[in-house]
Amino acid sequence: GNSVTQMEGPVTLSEEAFLTINCTYTATGYPSLFWYVQYPGEGLQLLLKATKADDKGSNKGFEATYRKETTSFHLEKGSVQVSDSAVYFCALSEDVDMRFGAGTRLTVKP
Amino acid sequence: DTAVSQTPKYLVTQMGNDKSIKCEQNLGHDTMYWYKQDSKKFLKIMFSYNNKELIINETVPNRFSPKSPDKAHLNLHINSLELGDSAVYFCASSHGGKDTGELFFGEGSRLTVL
Repeated sequence: GNSVTQMEGPVTLSEEAFLTINCTYTATGYPSLFWYVQYPGEGLQLLLKATKADDKGSNKGFEATYRKETTSFHLEKGSVQVSDSAVYFCALSEDVDMRFGAGTRLTVKP
Repeated sequence: DTAVSQTPKYLVTQMGNDKSIKCEQNLGHDTMYWYKQDSKKFLKIMFSYNNKELIINETVPNRFSPKSPDKAHLNLHINSLELGDSAVYFCASSHGGKDTGELFFGEGSRLTVL
């Protein structure tokens, strides 16, 4: 079945550091890939997505590229801010079935 | 105007009780979901409905019963609550179809079983 594996956290960075959160997937077909973010006490919200191979999703300085050859969708940001502290979830979807990774908690210190 | 709203936000109850969580979406979406998030933030799909029809039913105890009176509502009823049911339950919706696209989540309902 479809599944997502993302790097375990927690991740702690200083403000303006470079961020990478790794995500790899297993799928039988051609899924869409997503990154969601969950701020404390809130539900998940979409950060970015890519629907086919080589697509790059981007939003708020975050980027991820759909790599079919390595079945990966790593999240990157060049310079993190304290306000980026949250839990980040990689996810994949085929039809209506959306599967999430285990989540990676990011803490950014001033 | 909240897109996906669920009530109650907090629920504290004793083992063995029965409780319900309600969810409503005003986005006109065809597909709704229930997810369970444990204390380690792991998010597991429980059920999904498309136009009131059950389409995903993961390995969930029979004590959990979803009900969808119409495509804008998906409620979750839990019988004979157990300690392990303590979690945050999230309702979500999407437009469904071959490319589901984005899921829109409610704020979650934190259930504590004592």
